[in-house]
Amino acid sequence: AQSVSQHNHHVILSEAASLELGCNYSYGGTVNLFWYVQYPGQHLQLLLKYFSGDPLVKGIKGFEAEFIKSKFSFNLRKPSVQWSDTAEYFCAVTDSWGKLQFGAGTQVVVTP
Amino acid sequence: DAGITQSPRYKITETGRQVTLMCHQTWSHSYMFWYRQDLGHGLRLIYYSAAADITDKGEVPDGYVVSRSKTENFPLTLESATRSQTSVYFCASSLDSHVGRDTQYFGPGTRLTVL
Repeated sequence: AQSVSQHNHHVILSEAASLELGCNYSYGGTVNLFWYVQYPGQHLQLLLKYFSGDPLVKGIKGFEAEFIKSKFSFNLRKPSVQWSDTAEYFCAVTDSWGKLQFGAGTQVVVTP
Repeated sequence: DAGITQSPRYKITETGRQVTLMCHQTWSHSYMFWYRQDLGHGLRLIYYSAAADITDKGEVPDGYVVSRSKTENFPLTLESATRSQTSVYFCASSLDSHVGRDTQYFGPGTRLTVL
């Protein structure tokens, strides 16, 4: 069975700092990769997704992620965070059957 | 634009009682999903449905029952609630997920406490 690992459970950083959240998956076949975000009091929503093509994917709110097939990784980045980026971030993977497997999530707190 | 709604938003029940969580979507999406969110586990798939009258188990289906008689509704029933089912439950829908590429849209969640 495939699994998804997120490296950090909690991250605290200051505004304007750079953010990188690690995500590794175990599935060896063709995968579809997602980052979802849950802002406080809001629905879980899609940040970005990758299926094929350019391994550097840009999403909403200045986020991007890089797919490195050889490392089974899909790390999320943002060059300069804002207080409004405080949220929980989930990496997720689907295989060709369409079932979404989530990582445990990373709680990010951005301090003013 | 109602999107996807869940009810109730909060529920407290006792061990052994039957509880039904409701999920309704207004987009006519084919696929609907139920997840539970627990600390340290992220979201885990309980059941999903590819269309009306078609449902299938996810990762953690034990103790849960689903039905889907109408495209827009996907209720989740805990037949005899246990404390281990205390969790936050999320419903989601997607237009077409047979190849796993479609974005899933999530409801606001139901926080269930089983005493």
